[in-house]
Amino acid sequence: DTGVSQDPRHKITKRGQNVTFRCDPISEHNRLYWYRQTLGQGPEFLTYFQNEAQLEKSRLLSDRFSAERPKGSFSTLEIQRTEQGDSAMYLCASSFPGTSGNEQFFGPGTRLTVL
Amino acid sequence: AQSVTQLGSHVSVSEGALVLLRCNYSSSVPPYLFWYVQYPNQGLQLLLKYTSAATLVKGINGFEAEFKKSETSFHLTKPSAHMSDAAEYFCAVSDHPGTYKYIFGTGTRLKVLA
Repeated sequence: DTGVSQDPRHKITKRGQNVTFRCDPISEHNRLYWYRQTLGQGPEFLTYFQNEAQLEKSRLLSDRFSAERPKGSFSTLEIQRTEQGDSAMYLCASSFPGTSGNEQFFGPGTRLTVL
Repeated sequence: AQSVTQLGSHVSVSEGALVLLRCNYSSSVPPYLFWYVQYPNQGLQLLLKYTSAATLVKGINGFEAEFKKSETSFHLTKPSAHMSDAAEYFCAVSDHPGTYKYIFGTGTRLKVLA
């Protein structure tokens, strides 16, 4: 069990550019979540996958955002035409339905800065 | 819909003093509640969770929390603060049944004074 990993840890980009983040969940976890955390706030839910199916998307996930989880393993989150308001920490978490309360395990996050 | 309120965005305590971080929840079903800690530029680490078993839950690093249904509260305590406890703490409720996504509070930053 190597934990949830995210890549890159930091990304600096210019407004209008596209960025893509990757999340590798714990191998036996079939549930995967993306959250966004802005400075001084708690994480906010973005989207949820069960295996390869994207089952819920937050209204925060505008049409510039897209997430995938091909083959139910790793997941990617892409932001097109980035805006300064997209600057945040993007957190990925995974869970296994058999755990009590569906406890989620978080990755270290990807910090995005849009200039 | 579930929600969480954390009272006090900043809490300062002296080293060795009691730590009390407040969390109140709203849920239409028996809740699953969690406390996570976040150190600077890191992800979230689970401290403890309540999943309708014992109302007094013990977690890691000497933290514990008591679920009080009558007060809709799940406050986090530690008898004696240590310098290493300085961090941001988040209370969360799970959206269940359903996706089990978390709804987080706005967090409480704990400062420990020497």
